[in-house]
Formats: sequence, structure tokens, C-alpha cells
Amino acid sequence: EVQLQQSGPEVGRPGSSVKISCKASGYTFTDYVMNWVKQSPGQGLEWIGWIDPEYGSTDYAEKFKKKATLTADTSSNTAYIQLSSLTSEDTATYFCARDVGFWGPGTMVTVSS
Amino acid sequence: DIQMTQSPSSLPASLGDRVTITCRASQDIGNYLRWFQQKPGKSPRLMIYGATNLAAGVPSRFSGSRSGSDYSLTINSLESEDMAIYYCLQHNEYPLTFGSGTKLEIK
Repeated sequence: EVQLQQSGPEVGRPGSSVKISCKASGYTFTDYVMNWVKQSPGQGLEWIGWIDPEYGSTDYAEKFKKKATLTADTSSNTAYIQLSSLTSEDTATYFCARDVGFWGPGTMVTVSS
Repeated sequence: DIQMTQSPSSLPASLGDRVTITCRASQDIGNYLRWFQQKPGKSPRLMIYGATNLAAGVPSRFSGSRSGSDYSLTINSLESEDMAIYYCLQHNEYPLTFGSGTKLEIK
């Protein structure tokens, strides 16, 4: 059974960084790209970017190129997203999604001083 | 970037109704169109892929169709469990782009 287990809610201070994890199981981690999607409170879905875990190659939506960094650890079958220089605009739920077909449960990030 | 114009934004409907949600693509996306259902506090669930193919475990009252650059999700005989927000997604090219969502609610 495919599972994507995401880390728990985060609270970050303005200007700081947070790193969210997405642990995959039930399939070969390197066979699928992992996408990340942002959903601000009460809003729609925004694609952040993808990472190919096998090669470490990445691609980002323009607005997230200076905000998000995607990495993957094939030894633990875990993908990560780091969000830097946090502002209130980063308060949102972040989803990992295997091939944008199977989604993790989401991780809520709250930016607050 | 490819724009996905989704309509309506809100759709009041009664149980047993047939409803249709539409997304229009600003450029050719072929059949690289998916539909997702999202319930409050949950992650999106894939309903339709390849514009017309039912995802595993999705009830047969759901269907997808395409007419040119217009893509539609139809639900026949609406049930209470179908009340949710529906999004389309184009994955023909990056950046991937979603429609703005349609909130399906009981009239």
C-alpha cells in the first residue's frame, strides 16, 4: 500500500526557516517524482515544484524559486521541502504528492512571532 | 504559464442531481488533465486522470470528458458524500497549474 507520511505541524518565526518531511513507503521511491503543493487557508492549490529522487534534479514554479528548496534522501525514502525567510504569506498547508496522483496528508505551517 | 479557468466557483445542487464542472485550458494540454476532490481537512483525492479515465476506487457516477480546450467533470445522481471542492489540474507542461476550484454544496 502506497503511503506518504508527512511530518507534524510547524510554527516558524518571521525570517526563519522550516523543513518538512514526506516519508514514502509501499513503492520504489526512485521510480516517481515527488511534487509539492501549497494550500493557503481557505484557498486553492498552488504547485511549488518537483524533485526526481533518483537524480536529485528539481524544478520550481517561478514564485517559489527563492522560497523553497526540495531535497530527497534515498536511504530513508524521504523527500523534504525547506521554506526560508518565512513571512505570513507562507502560512499554509503543504502537501507532498507522488506524481501528483497520490497525496500525503499535508503539513500545516504557521508563521507567527 | 497555462491558465485553467474553472467554473462555476460554487454549485448548489440537490441529492440525485446531475452536475457538471468545467475547466478551460488557455493552451493545448492534450488529455493531460486530472480532476481532484477535496473534503475539509483532507488532502486532494484523484478522481479522473487522462481527462476521461476513472481513478481506482472512484464510483462510476463520476465521469470526465473533453471538448476541444474544455474539460468537464460530471457527477450523475449526486450523493451526500460528493459534497466537496473539486479542482482540475493540467500536467501537460510545467509549471503545473490548477483550476480555482468548485465548491459543490447541498441546495
